[in-house]
Amino acid sequence: QKEVEQNSGPLSVPEGAIASLNCTYSDRGSQSFFWYRQYSGKSPELIMSIYSNGDKEDGRFTAQLNKASQYVSLLIRDSQPSDSATYLCAVNTGFQKLVFGTGTRLLVSP
Amino acid sequence: EPEVTQTPSHQVTQMGQEVILRCVPISNHLYFYWYRQILGQKVEFLVSFYNNEISEKSEIFDDQFSVERPDGSNFTLKIRSTKLEDSAMYFCASSGQRNTEAFFGQGTRLTVV
Repeated sequence: QKEVEQNSGPLSVPEGAIASLNCTYSDRGSQSFFWYRQYSGKSPELIMSIYSNGDKEDGRFTAQLNKASQYVSLLIRDSQPSDSATYLCAVNTGFQKLVFGTGTRLLVSP
Repeated sequence: EPEVTQTPSHQVTQMGQEVILRCVPISNHLYFYWYRQILGQKVEFLVSFYNNEISEKSEIFDDQFSVERPDGSNFTLKIRSTKLEDSAMYFCASSGQRNTEAFFGQGTRLTVV
């Protein structure tokens, strides 16, 4: 069973702090990795994709991938209350489907 | 900005009835997907579709489910005889290339009573 693991949280950070979200995956053949944000009752919204080892930055978001450790992370700098949501890690194992983790709930307090 | 559109936003149906959930993927995308999310649980893959045929399907996607691209714009999911446990949010997604970013529609909340 190909698994994607995330801490369910909640992860609580004060406004302006860095939020660090982590994800591990079991299938070494995984090829592409995504972070989605999901507000309660809404659909997943893509915020980052990463395909190769290292860091990828987009605005306040940085995705980090370490294939040797089977580990993906998302850093959110200068966290805002509007960032409060559930963050879903999704992995593509080479077939045309995404395997999602259960998500980490992030709470940013003013 | 292009987006995936799903209709209806909410569907209530009686157990045993057939439902069709509709999706309009992003216009130049070639890969289409259905996912579902039972309340409080994770997003689960149902099926992927490319070049007018199913590419992958999960164990959930049994004989009660089918997908169709009836014309150049719509992508549908049919559940032939709904069960109570089919109650969930159903998300359609599309991507432009294989194994790249998938963009999700706003979802259809299916309630089976």
